[in-house]
Amino acid sequence: TQLLEQSPQFLSIQEGENLTVYCNSSSVFSSLQWYRQEPGEGPVLLVTVVTGGEVKKLKRLTFQFGDARKDSSLHITAAQPGDTGLYLCAGNPGGTSYGKLTFGQGTILTVHP
Amino acid sequence: EAQVTQNPRYLITVTGKKLTVTCSQNMNHEYMSWYRQDPGLGLRQIYYSMNVEVTDKGDVPEGYKVSRKEKRNFPLILESPSPNQTSLYFCASSLLGLTEAFFGQGTRLTVV
Repeated sequence: TQLLEQSPQFLSIQEGENLTVYCNSSSVFSSLQWYRQEPGEGPVLLVTVVTGGEVKKLKRLTFQFGDARKDSSLHITAAQPGDTGLYLCAGNPGGTSYGKLTFGQGTILTVHP
Repeated sequence: EAQVTQNPRYLITVTGKKLTVTCSQNMNHEYMSWYRQDPGLGLRQIYYSMNVEVTDKGDVPEGYKVSRKEKRNFPLILESPSPNQTSLYFCASSLLGLTEAFFGQGTRLTVV
């Protein structure tokens, strides 16, 4: 089983601060996705990255896929209370395990007004 | 409205009593999958299906069964539930394995 280690597990910051969440593995993934989940709801996809070194931006969120496709990061600029939630990374190993999706443990982000 | 529907949303049952959690999607997606979510462990994949009559094990398949007789439905079956299967379960579907996965709202199962 391929593992994805997410850090930090908990993040509590003030509105306006910047933050970065990391997702690391010793294994290569063919693609990696980031999801956001709110209490009582299922995860919602934020982005998919597929190319090593790829950087994608979604308003104040910047996602990066490592050159070796073993790690990824999510950076939020000027966090707002509406960013509060559980952030999950998920990797697909590809190949014969095309349908598998491995999730990290998640990062619980709280942004205080 | 495009959606993944799980039923029931909440279920309390006793050890050993067979149960089925249903999952249905209306987006004509080939790929469907089941996950369980436990505190500190994130989501762990139980089973997935790439198409009708094609299913495969995820990372934690023990104690679970699935079937995919129709494209839209992917029920999760617990033949003999045990307390360690108490968890929050999510069904998801996507057009292909790597495209956006749409998740249901979850089923909170308690086995006593």
